[in-house]
This record gives sequence, structure tokens and C-alpha cells, in this order.
Amino acid sequence: GAVVSQHPSRVICKSGTSVKIECRSLDFQATTMFWYRQFPKKSLMLMATSNEGSKATYEQGVEKDKFLINHASLTLSTLTVTSAHPEDSSFYICSASLAGGLQETQYFGPGTRLLVL
Amino acid sequence: KQEVTQIPAALSVPEGENLVLNCSFTDSAIYNLQWFRQDPGKGLTSLLLIQSSQREQTSGRLNASLDKSSGRSTLYIAASQPGDSATYLCAAPSGSARQLTFGSGTQLTVLP
Repeated sequence: GAVVSQHPSRVICKSGTSVKIECRSLDFQATTMFWYRQFPKKSLMLMATSNEGSKATYEQGVEKDKFLINHASLTLSTLTVTSAHPEDSSFYICSASLAGGLQETQYFGPGTRLLVL
Repeated sequence: KQEVTQIPAALSVPEGENLVLNCSFTDSAIYNLQWFRQDPGKGLTSLLLIQSSQREQTSGRLNASLDKSSGRSTLYIAASQPGDSATYLCAAPSGSARQLTFGSGTQLTVLP
């Protein structure tokens, strides 16, 4: 159980276009989802925390108008990279939180590799 | 703010060796710590989750320990195999916050 999927797994787009990445919790409801990005040979960096039905909380240095997050249901969060540029090329990974408090565990999706030409 | 450090950054061992990966964290007020595996170009696979009340967790050939007072965790891999080759990441919550802070990982290569 506790499976998280991401779609698409890989996307190539032209500079200036927008790209939407979906994160779904398949067999559980997640009130909170997290979005991370990972540059080559680097670790994961948290971008934002997404709570169902409310605005996302962005980490310092992450532009909220560029990385639009929508968490409209308990099983789906979307990340839209608006007006993508080559420097946005990265590996984007989401996680979904199961339960809360001391027992909270994050389950990670397989990631989406974005290449902006 | 939580900071997580992993040593070594890379490790190459012959098949069959036992090995230890190290993780240290600065904020010891954590409620758990996780170890993950990441294969090249892939997402994360959760290996072990240690609650703050536990000192260690075991899964097959993997054993993870947690010492909150010293801000350290270790991942022990017994009888390593070429299939264990991957990057191993540890992650700790940022104190009372729910966000995870990741270490930079240890890239393990097990030579046949």
C-alpha cells in the first residue's frame, strides 16, 4: 500500500512554455503533499508544502508565481512550471503524507524529469 | 534549521563486504529519521524508518541505528551485493516541522 504516482515521468518542452506535473496518492488520502527538486548529483531540496484546500507554503527562494501548486483533492496535487526556462530543467519529486504527528511517513513518487530546451 | 550531512560521499567495495554509511544531523529534536535508496534517474525507495523512541531498525541485510543525543545515524549493510549499488540518502524532519531535510547522499558501488 501507500503508492504515489507522478505523471508524466519525463517531459521535454520548449523555453517559454508551461508544464504541469501531477502527483497522485493511489490508495490513501493525503492531506499534505510535498514537492522537491533534485539537480544532477545533488540531494533533494524542498520546494513547497501543499495542503488540500489551501494555499501552498513555499520555501525561501522558490518563486510561487513560477511554480504554481494546486491541491484540489485529497489524492491529487499538481505542480505547474510556468514559462519554463532551461535552468528549470531538473528532476521533480513529490511525496504524500500518510497520517500525522509522530507516526507521519512520507511516501515518494517516482519523479518527473523535466528538460527545457 | 536542520542540516544533514552524509559521509562518505562515495564508497566502492568488493562484493560480500559489510559496510557502514554515516549520517549526522544538527537538530536532535526529531521524531524520526529515514533512510532511502535512489537508483540513477529514479525516485526514492524507502528503506528504513526509525522512530525517535527506537535505537535501531532492521530489514533483511540492512540495519539502521539512531543516536539522537549525538545527532548520528548509521546504515549498516551486511554481505553487500552488486544490486546494492545505488545512492543512499538519509532524511530528518526539521525539528517540529514536517518537512524533510535530506543529506547529499552516499553513492555506493559494489564490485562483483
